[in-house]
Amino acid sequence: DAKTTQPNSMESNEEEPVHLPCNHSTISGTDYIHWYRQLPSQGPEYVIHGLTSNVNNRMASLAIAEDRKSSTLILHRATLRDAAVYYCILRANAGGTSYGKLTFGQGTILTVHP
Amino acid sequence: ETGVTQSPTHLIKTRGQQVTLRCSSQSGHNTVSWYQQALGQGPQFIFQYYREEENGRGNFPPRFSGLQFPNYSSELNVNALELDDSALYLCASSLGPSGGQDEQFFGPGTRLTVL
Repeated sequence: DAKTTQPNSMESNEEEPVHLPCNHSTISGTDYIHWYRQLPSQGPEYVIHGLTSNVNNRMASLAIAEDRKSSTLILHRATLRDAAVYYCILRANAGGTSYGKLTFGQGTILTVHP
Repeated sequence: ETGVTQSPTHLIKTRGQQVTLRCSSQSGHNTVSWYQQALGQGPQFIFQYYREEENGRGNFPPRFSGLQFPNYSSELNVNALELDDSALYLCASSLGPSGGQDEQFFGPGTRLTVL
């Protein structure tokens, strides 16, 4: 599996934007970039995913570098509820099968200050 | 539409015993994956079932086994429990196949403590 590198921790203030970086220099051409987050005492939660183009949804935006060797998850206005561990994960395009393995790293612990 | 549920919430066993953990997938999902999460670590993939067949396995010994039923609910069985098996066990369901784009929906997990 291609490896991702994330900072161990980041801090933000409430209502400010947060940019969470992820490096994936060995990404293959067909790997999707997924982000999940895990709030305290809960299972992980899907946030967003993309392949080449930037993506937006109700939770966040995903900015993907042109060479795809890095990406940034953007929370436009952090809230206290966004305090969680954020995982950047590469998913292989397994063709016609759903080999659903998610390879989690250590993730980034996001602290949001009131 | 109900989400992914897991039972029990917490469980305490002693070394050498066997344990069965249960998971009910989100409605309409035919794929379930199991993960082990040790304290302070990210989840580690155990295996995945698609339409009642195992179709992927992580680096876990054979004493970790599973089943998926026709209604797509699932069980994780662990035999000969060891102290290092103490962890949060997570179940995730998804629609499949999807070629790497499927969103996985996780349950709240079962906290297993082995004494």
